[in-house]
Amino acid sequence: DSGVTQTPKHLITATGQRVTLRCSPRSGDLSVYWYQQSLDQGLQFLIQYYNGEERAKGNILERFSAQQFPDLHSELNLSSLELGDSALYFCASSPGAFTKPQHFGDGTRLSIL
Amino acid sequence: DAKTTQPPSMDCAEGRAANLPCNHSTISGNEYVYWYRQIHSQGPQYIIHGLKNNETNEMASLIITEDRKSSTLILPHATLRDTAVYYCIVRVGNTDKLIFGTGTRLQVFP
Repeated sequence: DSGVTQTPKHLITATGQRVTLRCSPRSGDLSVYWYQQSLDQGLQFLIQYYNGEERAKGNILERFSAQQFPDLHSELNLSSLELGDSALYFCASSPGAFTKPQHFGDGTRLSIL
Repeated sequence: DAKTTQPPSMDCAEGRAANLPCNHSTISGNEYVYWYRQIHSQGPQYIIHGLKNNETNEMASLIITEDRKSSTLILPHATLRDTAVYYCIVRVGNTDKLIFGTGTRLQVFP
């Protein structure tokens, strides 16, 4: 158990819809990261938040957005969903220091029908 | 971002040591080497990391060459549960994101 909690575990929805994925970081961790893993792209970094503020951005689509709340949990919002958005979405957390490892949750499997 | 090169697949007999190599010839002085593994579609699991010196923890050992251009992850006594994809990642010192490559698929057989 990494201590990072992601909900829901599975999500099935239709094209054009909007979903919200939730992540609770490990106790004491200030940084939250979001990654996407699809069959053809592997694990891709999307975005990082540190103590409520965006710190780094990766290959995140404009249809996707994220935020980190005062209690440090984070949400990833995906809108106008397309078939290609079907993937595993992982959240990771770390204390925020560059030398400390990130620990990953078990992911949310998103299926677009 | 520094790139890593790993063999796509390796086999190892149960109970033997598994030695997983990684090349990172463009690594800079402040960049750490991290190893993660992913079992099926579970979340990546942190294994070990290092900068210059060799490191050991309860899961594995990390051997980094003196010129830091390559490293080896050692699982001293592989078990069937160690079957997974192993990722070697060079973490850039001034950023926090992990750049995952394609990794090495380790198959441990009885």
